Amino acid sequence: KAGVTQTPRYLIKTRGQQVTLSCSPISGHRSVSWYQQTPGQGLQFLFEYFSETQRNKGNFPGRFSGRQFSNSRSEMNVSTLELGDSALYLCASSPPGLADEQFFGPGTRLTVL
Amino acid sequence: AQSVTQLGSHVSVSEGALVLLRCNYSSSVPPYLFWYVQYPNQGLQLLLKYTTGATLVKGINGFEAEFKKSETSFHLTKPSAHMSDAAEYFCAVTRGNLNNNDMRFGAGTRLTVKP
Repeated sequence: KAGVTQTPRYLIKTRGQQVTLSCSPISGHRSVSWYQQTPGQGLQFLFEYFSETQRNKGNFPGRFSGRQFSNSRSEMNVSTLELGDSALYLCASSPPGLADEQFFGPGTRLTVL
Repeated sequence: AQSVTQLGSHVSVSEGALVLLRCNYSSSVPPYLFWYVQYPNQGLQLLLKYTTGATLVKGINGFEAEFKKSETSFHLTKPSAHMSDAAEYFCAVTRGNLNNNDMRFGAGTRLTVKP
């Protein structure tokens, strides 16, 4: 079974731009969670989607948004990029009824210049 | 709310020596506890998890952890370190809500293995 895939793996943007990251969960997994990982703040939970609905949200500004499609693929969007948004963005998927069983993708490394 | 604290952001051991990575948790309900490993430029991989039952949990790559409620700890150990164990390790906690992701991670411990 294929693992969680994230595209692109690396991305360079400039301040003020927006970016969209994509995540394809493991087949059969309907829950997708997003995390931001930085050296200073560590791993921080962004949001979780299940059946196209956001059911949990971390403490991030409204510039960070996401969505999930009917095939469970998810995207997250960051608008008006700031230097501090430079991070590794990780996506994780979970099988139905097992939200604690998270399988992580390799991440997207976003650099904001 | 639940949280975990990992004691020591960097741990260095010699190859063949005991690995001990410390994690203490705080939770208002019986916790589910996890250890993940992250290799450079990769995502997180689950090493092991504790939910209920046996307090000594065995994971992949020879790692194990023991849940100690009295000490609110879930330390990760491996009897003999291997060079390939060099990575960053994260302890995590949830409330065991299987329909809602409320996982919270520690700050991580970077393990270095010296030859």
